[in-house]
Amino acid sequence: EPEVTQTPSHQVTQMGQEVILRCVPISNHLYFYWYRQILGQKVEFLVSFYNNEISEKSEIFDDQFSVERPDGSNFTLKIRSTKLEDSAMYFCASRRGIGYNEQFFGPGTRLTVL
Amino acid sequence: GNSVTQMEGPVTLSEEAFLTINCTYTATGYPSLFWYVQYPGEGLQLLLKATKADDKGSNKGFEATYRKETTSFHLEKGSVQVSDSAVYFCALSDLGATGNQFYFGTGTSLTVIP
Repeated sequence: EPEVTQTPSHQVTQMGQEVILRCVPISNHLYFYWYRQILGQKVEFLVSFYNNEISEKSEIFDDQFSVERPDGSNFTLKIRSTKLEDSAMYFCASRRGIGYNEQFFGPGTRLTVL
Repeated sequence: GNSVTQMEGPVTLSEEAFLTINCTYTATGYPSLFWYVQYPGEGLQLLLKATKADDKGSNKGFEATYRKETTSFHLEKGSVQVSDSAVYFCALSDLGATGNQFYFGTGTSLTVIP
């Protein structure tokens, strides 16, 4: 069964460093998402992406964040200069298309900023 | 706006006990409602869903009914098993909203003891 994959499973970085989190969505899906979950808190929406552009973003998704679909398979989240409060679990998700409301989630990347 | 309020955990039950995890929501449009489950070390997996009022979603012995009059989508299972130990997330999505982002509850950790 197709699934969303994410790498790495755990990333440790120093404050101020750039990180790139990688996701491979399900191949015939058209909508892509990033969410994050700070330990003990809600899963929060960051950004949605469709047709090679951002379709919606939350107030969390500031200028330090960017997303890209550099080829036909990968979907990346970049944090330009990490802060301590960026430490969280980051989930990628994909959705098949219009009329399909289920999102398929990856296993997550745990980001630890020291 | 859209939001989900979920019963606080953790919940500990004995095997074969009855499970209820409460979930209520607020929504501006016509949301679909979901329960996702996260087993240790894994991603969010769809457990069940309901797309309109009075629909009942069911899977693996779990059930939830979309109640518009009480804005609720409580998760129930008649007889839990040790293998049901996981974190359960209630979520809503509004297909009418741009990007179709999901709104999650805080998650409820369930531990079933033999």
